[in-house]
Order: sequence, then structure tokens, then C-alpha cells
Amino acid sequence: GENVEQHPSTLSVQEGDSAVIKCTYSDSASNYFPWYKQELGKRPQLIIDIRSNVGEKKDQRIAVTLNKTAKHFSLHITETQPEDSAVYFCAATLEGGYQKVTFGTGTKLQVIP
Amino acid sequence: EAGVAQSPRYKIIEKRQSVAFWCNPISGHATLYWYQQILGQGPKLLIQFQNNGVVDDSQLPKDRFSAERLKGVDSTLKIQPAKLEDSAVYLCASSLTGQRYGYTFGSGTRLTVV
Repeated sequence: GENVEQHPSTLSVQEGDSAVIKCTYSDSASNYFPWYKQELGKRPQLIIDIRSNVGEKKDQRIAVTLNKTAKHFSLHITETQPEDSAVYFCAATLEGGYQKVTFGTGTKLQVIP
Repeated sequence: EAGVAQSPRYKIIEKRQSVAFWCNPISGHATLYWYQQILGQGPKLLIQFQNNGVVDDSQLPKDRFSAERLKGVDSTLKIQPAKLEDSAVYLCASSLTGQRYGYTFGSGTRLTVV
């Protein structure tokens, strides 16, 4: 089955700096990679995703890159703000049909004002 | 659209007791998932339903956990008897089959076993 590793487990940055979270996956068949943000006591929410037919996707201050050959993908948050503080989870799945999503272990991001 | 509904939000039970959680997915979502999220960890899939059939229950501890989705809509997850290590948040999620935009989680049920 799929195995997703995520690093770092915790990350502290100054407000305004950038944050990068990295994930690797094991199953080369995986083709859809969503990222979820989970604020304390709340449900995980999808913030951005990328499919294997593209290498990069941006949405305002967040971007995700994918290297299929190396089987790793990364989340980049620029100009971090205190409200970005949360736990971020990467995930990997084979999209379509009975999609089974495997999550990483999470990165606790703290943005220091 | 209405989100994924779960109840109760919190539950505290003693070990060896039984507990049940309920989930109502987004209307029209054929696929329903139950995840277990232990504090500090990512969600772990327990069971996945497609309509009222089980697609994947390989990580469900079947000696104590059971789940059903009899009419292909709402679902219940039961633990009997509970152990201390079952303390976690139980998240329900739903999606359209082959959905291209991930899926939506419910607010979860936080279970504490004492």
C-alpha cells in the first residue's frame, strides 16, 4: 500500500517569512496529492491539491510542487501570517473510482508575530 | 451545501464500555469514510463504504470495531469493548465517486476512554 512521509513535524517561522513542508510517497501509481489544514479542534480542510500531470500549482500565498520522478511534493507558504498557524497534512491517492487517501503524519506550523 | 454531520461531538467512556458514532454524509455522496485520528498523528482510514458496501476495511480492528451503512446514506461506527488506546478523534468524510476535488470531513467525535 501507499506510505506517505512528511517533514518536518514542527516548524516555527517569523511572520512574513516563508514555510516549506515536504512529503514523499511510495506508490508510483498515486496521481493526486491534496493538502489539508487542520486548526486546533477543527476538521481538516482542503487548501490546495495537485495532480501528477502538472509540476506546480499556486493559489495566492500557497503553492505546491510535485516531482514524480523522485516521488516527492512540497507545500510552500509565502508571507506567512499568524492565521496560517495550524497542522498541515499532505496526502496521496490514486484518483478516481474507490479513491483511498493516505495521509502524512502532519506538520505543526507556528507563525510567530 | 450542507456539510458532513457527525454526532456526538464529544464522548467520555470507561474502558470495556461500548460507544457508537453517527455520520450523515453530504447528500448524493456515494463514498463514505471513517478515519481515526490519534492526537499528534494524521488521520488513519478505518473503513470505506461505496453506497452500502464495504470497499476497504483492512485497518479496522474487527475484534472490537464495527461499522455499517445499511441504506447507503448515514453510517454508524461502533466500538465494543473500548480500550484506552481508542482515545482519538473519529472523523467521517464523504465524496462523490471518483471526485476530483478531495473530500469533505465532518467535525469529528472526540472519544476519551478512561
